[in-house]
Amino acid sequence: IAGITQAPTSQILAAGRRMTLRCTQDMRHNAMYWYRQDLGLGLRLIHYSNTAGTTGKGEVPDGYSVSRANTDDFPLTLASAVPSQTSVYFCASSDQAGGSDEQFFGPGTRLTVL
Amino acid sequence: GQNIDQPTEMTATEGAIVQINCTYQTSGFNGLFWYQQHAGEAPTFLSYNVLDGLEEKGRFSSFLSRSKGYSYLLLKELQMKDSASYLCAVSSNDYKLSFGAGTTVTVRA
Repeated sequence: IAGITQAPTSQILAAGRRMTLRCTQDMRHNAMYWYRQDLGLGLRLIHYSNTAGTTGKGEVPDGYSVSRANTDDFPLTLASAVPSQTSVYFCASSDQAGGSDEQFFGPGTRLTVL
Repeated sequence: GQNIDQPTEMTATEGAIVQINCTYQTSGFNGLFWYQQHAGEAPTFLSYNVLDGLEEKGRFSSFLSRSKGYSYLLLKELQMKDSASYLCAVSSNDYKLSFGAGTTVTVRA
C-alpha cells in the first residue's frame, strides 16, 4: 500500500450497533486525525493523535473513541451508533502535528446509521 | 472557537479566472491551507500560507493578509477538471486544522 487507506469503503449500520472504522498509513507519519464531513458543515475534527500512544479530543468527540497503539494504525470506534452519526468519515495523517505540514487524507468511509 | 467563511458556490467559464475568498477569526494563527476535493473523493493539498503575500504555484495562487483575517485562492485558465470543492483551513495555536464549509466551483464550457 502507498499512502493512507480506510476500511470499509461504505457501511450501513443499525442504530445501537458497535462499529470500528479502520485507518492505516505507511508514510511513518507521527500525527493522525479523524474527521467527519457533512453537507454544509465541512470537515470537523473528531479525535487526533500527535504520536503513537497519545490521543486527544477534537471538535465533535462525543460518541466516538480512538486508540493509537502503533504509528501506522488509528481506528475509530462508535460504541453505540446513532442516526446523527451518518456521515462520511475521513482519516488523515501528517508528518508532524503542526506548522506547514500538510495533511494527507484517506479515501473516506461512507457510514449510514438507520 | 474558529469562524471560517467562504462562499458556497461559484460558476465560471472554461479559460476564465475565479477567485475564492476566505475570511477567518481564530484563536491564534499558524498558517492557512487550501485543499481541493472532487466529488466523492478525498481532499488534496493545494497551498499553504503563513506569511502575508501571494504564493504562486502554476495556475493556482493563494494570498494571505493576516491583519485582515483574509485569504483568497486564485484559479487561472480554468479547465473542466477544476470543477471541485475548495476548502479553506486554518491552523490555530494548537496546530489543529479548522475547515470552512467549502466552495463548490463549477466550470462550464
